[in-house]
Parts: sequence; C-alpha cells; structure tokens
Amino acid sequence: EAAVTQSPRSKVAVTGGKVTLSCHQTNNHDYMYWYRQDTGHGLRLIHYSYVADSTEKGDIPDGYKASRPSQENFSLILELASLSQTAVYFCASSPPVSGNTLYFGEGSRLIVV
Amino acid sequence: GEQVEQRPPHLSVREGDSAVITCTYTDPNSYYFFWYKQEPGASLQLLMKVFSSTEINEGQGFTVLLNKKDKRLSLNLTAAHPGDSAAYFCAVTPSSGSWQLIFGSGTQLTVMP
Repeated sequence: EAAVTQSPRSKVAVTGGKVTLSCHQTNNHDYMYWYRQDTGHGLRLIHYSYVADSTEKGDIPDGYKASRPSQENFSLILELASLSQTAVYFCASSPPVSGNTLYFGEGSRLIVV
Repeated sequence: GEQVEQRPPHLSVREGDSAVITCTYTDPNSYYFFWYKQEPGASLQLLMKVFSSTEINEGQGFTVLLNKKDKRLSLNLTAAHPGDSAAYFCAVTPSSGSWQLIFGSGTQLTVMP
C-alpha cells in the first residue's frame, strides 16, 4: 500500500487561478518535501517541513506556498498559477535521520494554460 | 552550494550490454549518495544508498562505485535488459544539511531488445 499519496494526479489550471496540491503520508515521518521536476532536469526543492504547523523555504520557493496542518498532510499552494509552473510535482517524506532516504509519492502533473 | 552534474542525459544500449551513468559533485564533505530509478509515469524508487567512503555496492544487476577523491559516483548496469529502461537520478547529501538531497539532472536509459 502506497505510503505517500498525492492528489490530484493530474490537473489543468488556468493562468492566474489557484491550485492546491495535496500530499498524505502514512510513514509516520517528521520531514515532508515538495519537489518540482521539469523535463530534462532533476528535482528541485520548493518547500519542506520538519514538524506540523511549520514550513521552510527550499531552493525555488517563489510563487509557491506550503501548509503542514498535521504530521500526515502537506500541501503545496499556487495562489496565482503561471505558465512557468507547468511541471510534475513530487511530494516526499523522510525520517529525521542523517542521510535519510526520501520516499516519494506518485507525482502530480500540472499543466497551466 | 553543492552542484551535482550527471552524464549522459540520454543513453541507449542493446540488451545484454552494460550501461554506465556518472555523477560528479562539488562538495568534498558530502556524505550520503543515492541512486533513484523512475519508470515512465511513475515515482522515484530508491536503487541504492551509499555512505561516506570509497566503496563498491552491488545490487541486483548493477554496481555503484563511489570515489570520494575524484568526487564521482557511478552506476553500472551490467547486462542491461529492457526492464531497466527508465530515468535514473543520482542525489547527494551535502555537508550543509543532513536532510537535504541535491539531485542530478537525470539520465534517460533505453535498452533495446
């Protein structure tokens, strides 16, 4: 059974609209992450969280907000979606151990038109 | 900050041939190294995790070599088969943050029958 689940798996949004990507984990992990994957590129970290009710900026946070209402749930929010935010978004979780392994969700494909 | 370069971006081999993917990194104090596999339309799955030493790790059908002197990490798929066709990503834990992973840009491997 998948331990990190994302929704929606695919979405088409209009420019300027609001988009919320949700992530739920049953790993009982403290850390959760949102990464962005663009064609031909690796994953880049947008936001992360190491405890409920707290989020931190990653390497490319501009245009994104994050929310961690509980240990299990972590959302990525695009208040004003733009064409440049068309990408595949991955959520991941990990334990708070040095050199930890990240466990990824299935990904959410977002197309902004 | 840490930079991870992965080569080649695309690799096509015949079934039974070997395939080598290489990553170089810049932070000499990086201490955890990962290889992930991503099949089409799927999430990233951990192939192997390597620790801070020069070592060779063998998995099912592949070998990972870490050379800290040259700051080089490689993945060698021995006797590749069509099921190995996927995108492969290296990732490095830099000395600046034990929780963070810096990803390479990925290698799209195609194994032809």
